[in-house]
Amino acid sequence: AQTVTQSQPEMSVQEAETVTLSCTYDTSENNYYLFWYKQPPSRQMILVIRQEAYKQQNATENRFSVNFQKAAKSFSLKISDSQLGDTAMYFCAFILFGNEKLTFGTGTRLTIIP
Amino acid sequence: GAVVSQHPSRVICKSGTSVKIECRSLDFQATTMFWYRQFPKQSLMLMATSNEGSKATYEQGVEKDKFLINHASLTLSTLTVTSAHPEDSSFYICSACWGAGYNEQFFGPGTRLTVL
Repeated sequence: AQTVTQSQPEMSVQEAETVTLSCTYDTSENNYYLFWYKQPPSRQMILVIRQEAYKQQNATENRFSVNFQKAAKSFSLKISDSQLGDTAMYFCAFILFGNEKLTFGTGTRLTIIP
Repeated sequence: GAVVSQHPSRVICKSGTSVKIECRSLDFQATTMFWYRQFPKQSLMLMATSNEGSKATYEQGVEKDKFLINHASLTLSTLTVTSAHPEDSSFYICSACWGAGYNEQFFGPGTRLTVL
C-alpha cells in the first residue's frame, strides 16, 4: 500500500517570503503521479501542481514549483513571493498510473502573515 | 474548466433520519465519482468509488448499508446517510473524473453534515 507523509502540521511565513512544504511517500511502483492540493477556508479542494514520476524535470506553475526527488521519494512544494491568499491547508497526494484512487497526506496548515 | 457541484452545502438533521447529498458534474460526463469524508483538521479519507450504472466499491471499514451510493447517470451521484447519528457528523466531499485510468479529479465544494 502507498503512504504519503507530511511532517509539518503547521507553518507560517511573512508575506512575500518563500516557503517550502515537505512531502515524502512510499511505493514500490515506478509509474505514478504526485500532486499538491490547496484547501482554503472555503474547503474547496484546488489542484496546485502535478508531477508525473517519469518526468525528471520539476513541475512549475507560476509561483509554485516542486522539488521531485524520485530516488528519495520526496516531493516538496515551494511557494515563492507568498501572498495572503496562499493561506490554506496543503495536501500532498499520490496516485498510481492506471489507478483511480488518490492517497492524501495528513496536510500542512500554512498561514501567510501580513 | 470542469465544475462539480454539491447540494446541499450544509445540512442539520435529527438523529435517526436519513440525509441525501447530491454530487453533479456540470460540464462534463463523469464516468467515475468518489466520495470522501473529512473530519476537522484532518485529511480526506476515501469512502467509496462509484462508476455510472454499477455498484459502488467501498473502502475497508465503510458500512455499505449506512452510506448508500447511487451513480445513476454520468452527471449525478448521490450519497445517502441512513439513520444518521451524531458520529456521522462530518464534512463530505465528492470528486469526479472521466475516462479510464488516471484522469484529474475535480472536487465539489463539500457538504457539512451535523446530526443532532
